[in-house]
Amino acid sequence: SQTIHQWPATLVQPVGSPLSLECTVEGTSNPNLYWYRQAAGRGLQLLFYSVGIGQISSEVPQNLSASRPQDRQFILSSKKLLLSDSGFYLCAWSGGTSNQPQHFGDGTRLSIL
Amino acid sequence: DQQVKQNSPSLSVQEGRISILNCDYTNSMFDYFLWYKKYPAEGPTFLISISSIKDKNEDGRFTVFLNKSAKHLSLHIVPSQPGDSAVYFCAASKRASGSRLTFGEGTQLTVNP
Repeated sequence: SQTIHQWPATLVQPVGSPLSLECTVEGTSNPNLYWYRQAAGRGLQLLFYSVGIGQISSEVPQNLSASRPQDRQFILSSKKLLLSDSGFYLCAWSGGTSNQPQHFGDGTRLSIL
Repeated sequence: DQQVKQNSPSLSVQEGRISILNCDYTNSMFDYFLWYKKYPAEGPTFLISISSIKDKNEDGRFTVFLNKSAKHLSLHIVPSQPGDSAVYFCAASKRASGSRLTFGEGTQLTVNP
């Protein structure tokens, strides 16, 4: 069966520090991969999605970037964190065809001080 | 532009009764709709989906209804259980966007014993 791993679960970082969140998927090949952010009390905002290695689409302009160095690995990064980057970050995967559910990791709670 | 809307931020029901969660959308190109359940500090869990060629899909205690003319879908939970207490998100996608989802802002369901 397919599983998705996301770490760390919780992260506290100072303003201006770099960020690297990692997500890996097991049990499937060539998945679509996604990064979302959920601000407090809000819905899920799609940040990035990827349909293959090295293929990244950005949904919103922001201070973050994403990379997909391997088929089942998706990384969310920042060179300098802002206070507004605080939130709950979720990685998800889906099959490569249309109209399929996405399956989420357990998320990372990021607090910027 | 909020294309998927959940107008009720919260809903409270008694155990054993029916819970009805509502969702409206504005984009007539959406052809696949999903419901997710989310507990605090966890990723959303896929519950049930429906294609636009159907108007009802049932899975155990969960039934999703789709009214395309009204651009409205609803999730019925019968009977409701205290363990159903969570935030419920509806989401929609369109074939042209692959499996990218647009989420509503969520409804907090509380089932009282």
